[in-house]
Amino acid sequence: EVQLVESGGGLVQPGGSLRLSCGASGFTFSSHWMSWVRQAPGRGLEWVASVSEDGSQKHYVDSVRGRFTISRDNAKNSVHLQMDSLRAEDTAAYYCARGQAHEYCGQGTLVTVSS
Amino acid sequence: DIQMTQSPSSLSASVGDRVTFTCRASQGISNSLVWFQQKPGKAPKSLIYRASTLQSGVPSKFSGSGSGTDFTLTINSLQPEDSATYYCQQYNSYPLTFGGGTRVEIK
Repeated sequence: EVQLVESGGGLVQPGGSLRLSCGASGFTFSSHWMSWVRQAPGRGLEWVASVSEDGSQKHYVDSVRGRFTISRDNAKNSVHLQMDSLRAEDTAAYYCARGQAHEYCGQGTLVTVSS
Repeated sequence: DIQMTQSPSSLSASVGDRVTFTCRASQGISNSLVWFQQKPGKAPKSLIYRASTLQSGVPSKFSGSGSGTDFTLTINSLQPEDSATYYCQQYNSYPLTFGGGTRVEIK
């Protein structure tokens, strides 16, 4: 059974940083792209970032490029999202997802950016 | 960027009804489209990928069709547990983009 478990969310002040992590199991992690998707309160889904199987390719939505960094550790079956210079508009539930088609999503971790 | 437009934004239907809603891409995306179901407070769940392929474990009452720019999701024999918001997403090119969603309510 595919499982994705996010951690690392919380309350942070504007301009601060957080590092989200996602542990994966139930599939061959190193064979799949991994992504982060977010959802602001009461809003729709928004893709944030994706990383290729070996970590050599990374893509970001324009609104986070230069502030967020996606990375992965295939030895530990984990993917991370380093979020710097956080803004109020980054407040959202963040979901870890397998693949570019997001065929499986974790339960999410909540990030709140507020003073 | 490819814009994804879903219609209607919401609909209300009765138990047992067949409902269909659409997703339109601003440019051709071949069949690189996935449909999600999301219930309040829950993670999105993939229903259909490659426009028409049912995800493992998803009941056959859900079906998808389309290619290029126009896509549809059909739910047969609507049940109370199908009350949710449904999103489409293209994965043909970056940035990956979602539609705004269709909220399905049961009368």
